[in-house]
Amino acid sequence: QKEVEQDPGPLSVPEGAIVSLNCTYSNSAFQYFMWYRQYSRKGPELLMYTYSSGNKEDGRFTAQVDKSSKYISLFIRDSQPSDSATYLCAMIEGSYIPTFGRGTSLIVHP
Amino acid sequence: DSGVTQTPKHLITATGQRVTLRCSPRSGDLSVYWYQQSLDQGLQFLIQYYNGEERAKGNILERFSAQQFPDLHSELNLSSLELGDSALYFCASSVDRGSTDTQYFGPGTRLTVL
Repeated sequence: QKEVEQDPGPLSVPEGAIVSLNCTYSNSAFQYFMWYRQYSRKGPELLMYTYSSGNKEDGRFTAQVDKSSKYISLFIRDSQPSDSATYLCAMIEGSYIPTFGRGTSLIVHP
Repeated sequence: DSGVTQTPKHLITATGQRVTLRCSPRSGDLSVYWYQQSLDQGLQFLIQYYNGEERAKGNILERFSAQQFPDLHSELNLSSLELGDSALYFCASSVDRGSTDTQYFGPGTRLTVL
């Protein structure tokens, strides 16, 4: 079993929908949690970063961490076709080595 | 545009060969990270350099090596290439060496080993 599990999708939603992307993890030592967005043929870009349980909001994006359940989520409100990309979760346990999920492919159709 | 540049964009080579991938970090960034992304393994951390010194090592094969030069650009050397080394190789950079520093990724080098 991989340390970080993420459903590869694809997840297809209509424009304007609320999207929920999720990762589960097994290593309780993970302290920092990140979400990256990767467009086709591009490198990942950091969307959100948090280190505590609870919610963190940034515009249309909300990151949620539940350390007791070892579960993190990224919510996208009012999804747009430009949100179509692969979303990667990543976690760090205090060393400098991040562990990434395999990514979920999101398609937002007009 | 993240400000991180990688060359070449694409590389096609044969098994057993050796290649060098190059990365220039964002201006002012001291840390460089190398990652491998393949369909079956996802994004895997290979190695980090900070200001010329190796800082952290991930699942990097012995056939692979890297270095960071005084001008802070970095090279990843892959030797005795195998079919399974075909992947996207990303370089990222950050200002400092902390685990929570934002990493900015380059556009990647697509390596195909035939």
